[in-house]
Amino acid sequence: QSVLTQPPSASGTPGQRVTISCSGSTSNIGVKTVKWYQQFPGTAPKLLIYSNNQRPSGVPDRFSGSKSGTSASLAISGLQSEDEADYYCASWDDSLNGPVFGGGTKLTVL
Amino acid sequence: EVHLLVSGGGLVQPGGSLRLSCAASGFTFNNYAMSWVRQGPGKGLEWVSGISGSGDSTSYADSVKGRFTISRDNSKNTLYLQMNSLGDEDTAVYYCAKARSGTKMTSSWDSWGQGALVTVSS
Repeated sequence: QSVLTQPPSASGTPGQRVTISCSGSTSNIGVKTVKWYQQFPGTAPKLLIYSNNQRPSGVPDRFSGSKSGTSASLAISGLQSEDEADYYCASWDDSLNGPVFGGGTKLTVL
Repeated sequence: EVHLLVSGGGLVQPGGSLRLSCAASGFTFNNYAMSWVRQGPGKGLEWVSGISGSGDSTSYADSVKGRFTISRDNSKNTLYLQMNSLGDEDTAVYYCAKARSGTKMTSSWDSWGQGALVTVSS
């Protein structure tokens, strides 16, 4: 059981906008920033979003993040087939004194 | 270019021990906190342990506390994870990850090693 809650799956067609939610609590998302990671099968995760809505260099601006209260969202606009991957949210948890992840969302591009 | 190379994975019997290494290059190693993150077969990501840039502060997930020890040798630019009393639940791919900024532990990692598979089985 993950500390952060994500839907197990999401889907969209090319060109669509999809969002992935991440729900936490007052000990993590409510007081700490949210990160998003993208992972393709058999490869290491890649940082997609940090500090709730900041993109590292090289990440397309089709990817955006937002946070409100104890929840966060990752939005992908202009969906492309190469976006098909697993997406994980993460944050720091003050009660556990360590990082926590969501269970991951498998994005399928139909 | 940042490069993290994980080694030391393999097959180990229940109750056994294993040490993972993560050789870092392309950045000033002691300026960044590091972590180990694992992923069980078909499962999600799980943070295992973290260490500050100087090595004087460490933290562990409850699932490994008392069994795993994280350490670093800044003179060798290498991160370690000593794993003892291994159980089936420890079977996973283990990644080392570099903090995006700073020497304090974080949940923001901008570079990851390729991962090493640890299989605990008799």
